[in-house]
Amino acid sequence: QKEVEQNSGPLSVPEGAIASLNCTYSDRGSQSFFWYRQYSGKSPELIMSIYSNGDKEDGRFTAQLNKASQYVSLLIRDSQPSDSATYLCAVNGGGSNYKLTFGKGTLLTVNP
Amino acid sequence: GAVVSQHPSRVICKSGTSVKIECRSLDFQATTMFWYRQFPKQSLMLMATSNEGSKATYEQGVEKDKFLINHASLTLSTLTVTSAHPEDSSFYICSAGGGALYEQYFGPGTRLTVT
Repeated sequence: QKEVEQNSGPLSVPEGAIASLNCTYSDRGSQSFFWYRQYSGKSPELIMSIYSNGDKEDGRFTAQLNKASQYVSLLIRDSQPSDSATYLCAVNGGGSNYKLTFGKGTLLTVNP
Repeated sequence: GAVVSQHPSRVICKSGTSVKIECRSLDFQATTMFWYRQFPKQSLMLMATSNEGSKATYEQGVEKDKFLINHASLTLSTLTVTSAHPEDSSFYICSAGGGALYEQYFGPGTRLTVT
C-alpha cells in the first residue's frame, strides 16, 4: 500500500514569515512529486512539481526533494494571507501510469 | 498549466434520478482522466481512472454500475451518477493527465446535491 503522509495542521504563520510544509512517502520507486493548493470549496491547483533531488524554486515557492529520505517539502517565503489554503502532496510511482497518491493535506493559515 | 473544464459546476437533483457530469481538457490531449469525490473537510478520494477508448478502472468500494464513466475521446470524459441518493451528495472533481511529466490538472469541480 503506497502511502503519502502529511501533518494535517493547522499550520499557522504570521504574514511575511516562511511556511514549511512537509511530506513523506512510502514507495521508494516514486518518480514524480507534486504540490497542489486547494482553497476551501475549490478544486486543487498544481503549484509545484519536482522530479530530481535538490531544490526547485518558482517565485515564492521552493520545493525540496530527498529521495534517500523519501521526503519532499514545500517552502513558501513571504507568506501572504492569500496563501491560506490546504496544501496537498502527491506522488507518482512512475511508468506509464498517471495515477497519483495524495496525502491528506496540511491546512495553512497565514495571519495578517 | 493545462486547462480542464467541468460542467455543470453545480447541480441539484431529486433522489432516484441520474446526473451526468462532463470533463473536458481544453488545450491538450488527455491520455488518462481521473474522477475524484470529496466530502466536506475530507481528503480527495479517487473513484476511477479512465483511459481513452477503454473501460474505466474503479477503485475498491466504488460501484461501477452506479458511477458510469465514459472516455470517448482524448478531450472528453463523462461521469454519470445513476439513481442518485442523498448520500451521493458530494463535490466531484475530474483531472486530466497526458504530458511527459505526469502532471495532473484538475477541473473546477461539480457540486452535486441530491434531495
